[in-house]
Amino acid sequence: GAVVSQHPSRVICKSGTSVKIECRSLDFQATTMFWYRQFPKKSLMLMATSNEGSKATYEQGVEKDKFLINHASLTLSTLTVTSAHPEDSSFYICSARDPLGLGYTFGSGTRLTVV
Amino acid sequence: GNSVTQMEGPVTLSEEAFLTINCTYTATGYPSLFWYVQYPGEGLQLLLKATKADDKGSNKGFEATYRKETTSFHLEKGSVQVSDSAVYFCALSDPSGGSYIPTFGRGTSLIVHP
Repeated sequence: GAVVSQHPSRVICKSGTSVKIECRSLDFQATTMFWYRQFPKKSLMLMATSNEGSKATYEQGVEKDKFLINHASLTLSTLTVTSAHPEDSSFYICSARDPLGLGYTFGSGTRLTVV
Repeated sequence: GNSVTQMEGPVTLSEEAFLTINCTYTATGYPSLFWYVQYPGEGLQLLLKATKADDKGSNKGFEATYRKETTSFHLEKGSVQVSDSAVYFCALSDPSGGSYIPTFGRGTSLIVHP
């Protein structure tokens, strides 16, 4: 089936720095990708919808200047957490719609820790 | 709007026990229903799905039946294994509102002891 590769799987960064997370569709083209944030013991919170060649659509309450999303090609979307703070520490997961209509395919997630 | 309600966890079972994780939903249209599984430290994997009433999705011994009359999609497995320990998410996708983006439940943690 369709595979979404997410990198890195874990990252530790200092407060004030920026971190880039990549999400690639390996064997299909994804015009739309989704970025989620997962809090401990809580469900997935949709942060934004990434659209190839155009601006991302952010959910209410998500700071677009802090969470920069770029979808420059049909197989790559990136999420950059800018000026990271400890409260940004979380598990971030990307997703794309399975082209075979089997639901949504998820990346393996990125554990971000800001110290 | 759409929503998914799952039973609170964690669910703790002994190996070979019977598993039920309840899931009910509300939707404005006629949604597709999914169960995803998340193993520790990993992303979500699609476990099974059902797209219309009375459909039964099944995979790896797990199954769930789309019950429109009770708006439910309970996950069951006859004999769990330690390797089934994970978090299970019920989700729906309802395009009637113009978007296929899934709505997730809070997730139910399953812990299986040897």
